[in-house]
Amino acid sequence: GEDVEQSLFLSVREGDSSVINCTYTDSSSTYLYWYKQEPGAGLQLLTYIFSNMDMKQDQRLTVLLNKKDKHLSLRIADTQTGDSAIYFCAENVAGTYKYIFGTGTRLKVLA
Amino acid sequence: NAGVMQNPRHLVRRRGQEARLRCSPVKGHSHVYWYRQLPEEGLKFMVYLQKENIIDESGMPKERFSAEFPKEGPSILRIQQVVRGDSAAYFCASSLGAYNSPLHFGNGTRLTVT
Repeated sequence: GEDVEQSLFLSVREGDSSVINCTYTDSSSTYLYWYKQEPGAGLQLLTYIFSNMDMKQDQRLTVLLNKKDKHLSLRIADTQTGDSAIYFCAENVAGTYKYIFGTGTRLKVLA
Repeated sequence: NAGVMQNPRHLVRRRGQEARLRCSPVKGHSHVYWYRQLPEEGLKFMVYLQKENIIDESGMPKERFSAEFPKEGPSILRIQQVVRGDSAAYFCASSLGAYNSPLHFGNGTRLTVT
C-alpha cells in the first residue's frame, strides 16, 4: 500500500535535539521532502533530499536517508519553542506527479 | 515574489449552499494540487490539474465536488450542496513541473458548514 508512516507525537526540551522519523513506501522515489505546518497555516517546505544522497545538512536541520530500510529522518539541532509545529515527510514517486504525505509528527518544545 | 494565494481564508456556509475556493499558484507554475485536511489528521489528496486539464481526480468525491484550472485565472474547487462533513481545511499547492519539483502550499481555506 501507499502509506508513509510517522510517529504522531514528539516532545523535547528547548535546546535539545529533535529527531523526527519517517518510513516511506516506494524505493524508486526520487525526492523526499520535509514540510513544517504551524497552527492555522499551510505547509512550508523545509528541506528535501535526492535519493542518491545519504545526508543533507542545512543550518540546524540534518536529513538522513537510509534507502535500504526506506527510512528518512529529520534532526533539528538546538530546538527552539518556535520549532513547535507539525512536521510532514513526503515522497515523490519516481517519474510521476504523485506525492505521498505522512500523517505528520506533532513536535512540542518545552521551555 | 508571491507564493500560492488562496481565498477566502475562512468560509462559512449553511448546509445545502455552494462553496467556491480559489487558488492562484506561484507565478509560472502550471501544476496545481488540492488537498483536504481534517482536524488532527494528515493531508488527503483530492485532485491534480494542469492548465485547462484535470489529470487525476481520484481523491475527489464524484458527487458535489468539481475542480477547474482555466487558461486564465485561478484554480477553483467547487463544492455544491455542502454538508457538515465537508468542514475541513482545503489546501492548494503548485509546482513548476509534473515531478521532481517541490510542492508550494497556500495557507488554506477553512470551510465551516453550519
